[in-house]
Amino acid sequence: AQKITQTQPGMFVQEKEAVTLDCTYDTSDPSYGLFWYKQPSSGEMIFLIYQGSYDQQNATEGRYSLNFQKARKSANLVISASQLGDSAMYFCALAYGGATNKLIFGTGTLLAVQP
Amino acid sequence: SQTIHQWPATLVQPVGSPLSLECTVEGTSNPNLYWYRQAAGRGLQLLFYSVGIGQISSEVPQNLSASRPQDRQFILSSKKLLLSDSGFYLCAWSTSGGRKTQYFGPGTRLLVL
Repeated sequence: AQKITQTQPGMFVQEKEAVTLDCTYDTSDPSYGLFWYKQPSSGEMIFLIYQGSYDQQNATEGRYSLNFQKARKSANLVISASQLGDSAMYFCALAYGGATNKLIFGTGTLLAVQP
Repeated sequence: SQTIHQWPATLVQPVGSPLSLECTVEGTSNPNLYWYRQAAGRGLQLLFYSVGIGQISSEVPQNLSASRPQDRQFILSSKKLLLSDSGFYLCAWSTSGGRKTQYFGPGTRLLVL
């Protein structure tokens, strides 16, 4: 069975500082993918970053980077130089099921960026 | 480029009434399609997925059904809504294959009274 855990219901960060959002997972699939999505108050789900289980390097996309520690089964999102527009819910998700490409989501972390 | 549409954006329905939510994708062929539900303050739960026309798989037993009458059209339905069907419904697509990014539509907020 697959499981995704986000243990931080809410986080505060000062503008321009970095913040780390935690995510741990469990899966029996030897090949899997991990995603992070942002959900602003409007409700849309915005894709941020992807990490494949066999990728040798941690993924980066602009101010977003993924701290992937396979042995610890963690895939933490790091946001550098936080901006007020980063205030939103952030969800970690695990892709499983092979070609069906299903996602299981964590419960999310609400990030508030303070000026 | 690809775009995904959902309608309606908001819906208020009485208990026991039928439901039909529609999702369409443009700019791609033979996508995988997905329906998720998000209860207030919660994460997303996968309801249905489809890897091709007429091919529907259900992830959880429920009062809802899904259909895919065309390659890029995905419909979520119910014959009789329950109060517990209230929530935010999101449609998503991905290219076929594993570990592909899913892209989400704007969602439909459903309130059952």
